[in-house]
Amino acid sequence: GQSLEQPSEVTAVEGAIVQINCTYQTSGFYGLSWYQQHDGGAPTFLSYNALDGLEETGRFSSFLSRSDSYGYLLLQELQMKDSASYFCAVRSYNTDKLIFGTGTRLQVFP
Amino acid sequence: NAGVMQNPRHLVRRRGQEARLRCSPMKGHSHVYWYRQLPEEGLKFMVYLQKENIIDESGMPKERFSAEFPKEGPSILRIQQVVRGDSAAYFCASSSTAQGGTDTQYFGPGTRLTVL
Repeated sequence: GQSLEQPSEVTAVEGAIVQINCTYQTSGFYGLSWYQQHDGGAPTFLSYNALDGLEETGRFSSFLSRSDSYGYLLLQELQMKDSASYFCAVRSYNTDKLIFGTGTRLQVFP
Repeated sequence: NAGVMQNPRHLVRRRGQEARLRCSPMKGHSHVYWYRQLPEEGLKFMVYLQKENIIDESGMPKERFSAEFPKEGPSILRIQQVVRGDSAAYFCASSSTAQGGTDTQYFGPGTRLTVL
């Protein structure tokens, strides 16, 4: 089967840097995506890694290592509005469905 | 350019009734996906459709659930004879590229179904 594991919760203070890890067991996928979801809201696309390495998008960066079956999302200069749930997801080779990780709830404190 | 649209945003049904959830993909997108999210959980894939075709329904319960994406009009997720366990948020996503592409899936605001 395919599974993606994330820490259930992470806390940090404003201005800090936080890393959310995603370890996976899957037979094959096109790339690793990250989505943000605020309470009661829809998942919002943040970042996508098709290849190994680091992708940077403003305050957010994402990393993928296929050899280690591992990726992470790095959030810098944390703001209160970053408090949300973050999901990693892979896009299956067989169809285009997204398989989501267990999700990490980030709480940012002043 | 309007995003993915879903309606209704909130739907309340009594046990045994039918629920119809609608999704209009982003303009130019012909691939629609439905996901279900239970409270405090991640999203689970249900079905992937293209116009008039079901491509992958491996995540759909075998009974009571059906989906369609007609040539004209929105995609419909239909739940017959709802039970309390069907209470969840149902999200629709759309993308533009053919299978195997790397195009992003964009999500709608979701329909929150409550079964009394």
